[in-house]
Amino acid sequence: SQQGEEDPQALSIQEGENATMNCSYKTSINNLQWYRQNSGRGLVHLILIRSNEREKHSGRLRVTLDTSKKSSSLLITASRAADTASYFCATDGTGGGADGLTFGKGTHLIIQP
Amino acid sequence: DAGITQSPRHKVTETGTPVTLRCHQTENHRYMYWYRQDPGHGLRLIHYSYGVKDTDKGEVSDGYSVSRSKTEDFLLTLESATSSQTSVYFCAITGQINQPQHFGDGTRLSIL
Repeated sequence: SQQGEEDPQALSIQEGENATMNCSYKTSINNLQWYRQNSGRGLVHLILIRSNEREKHSGRLRVTLDTSKKSSSLLITASRAADTASYFCATDGTGGGADGLTFGKGTHLIIQP
Repeated sequence: DAGITQSPRHKVTETGTPVTLRCHQTENHRYMYWYRQDPGHGLRLIHYSYGVKDTDKGEVSDGYSVSRSKTEDFLLTLESATSSQTSVYFCAITGQINQPQHFGDGTRLSIL
């Protein structure tokens, strides 16, 4: 069963605006990760946040994690056309990912020029 | 980018035929994974490996087998392909737990 669930399923915004995607999960985790997938390509890792962290930044990306609510959010600031892609959250249970990751169904983000 | 190559990139085959997909890595990473991606389901884990000859089942392993005879190669076999196995298959690798996984570009498999 899917542990992570992203919200919204699809998001269309104007270039320059901020995009926020949310993820909920069901069980305890060591880490939560966000990945990006461009059409026809593999997933690219964006950011990993550990269960004892509440917020993490990487360039224009900001990720928050609330383990009490079992939820995370990904904020992309000052969006660009190149940010058009699908975004997935992934959790590792308590095994640190050794036995694989559990992915949500993704948010498809479209940046309108 | 992590050195990970999937082959073939595209394959069309008929129901009942055997199919083998290959994942090759040049990173000497210990852990390797096979996922499938289907519309409405995201990525789901098929099988994974935590070392040479060490493999285990994932969430959707029925109808699939794997082998890892050397560090760099992880093979996924569909013994008798069915139309429900039409999907995009991704291989991923990582060197350590609690670290990101690196993905190949996928194999698009169509079973008619």
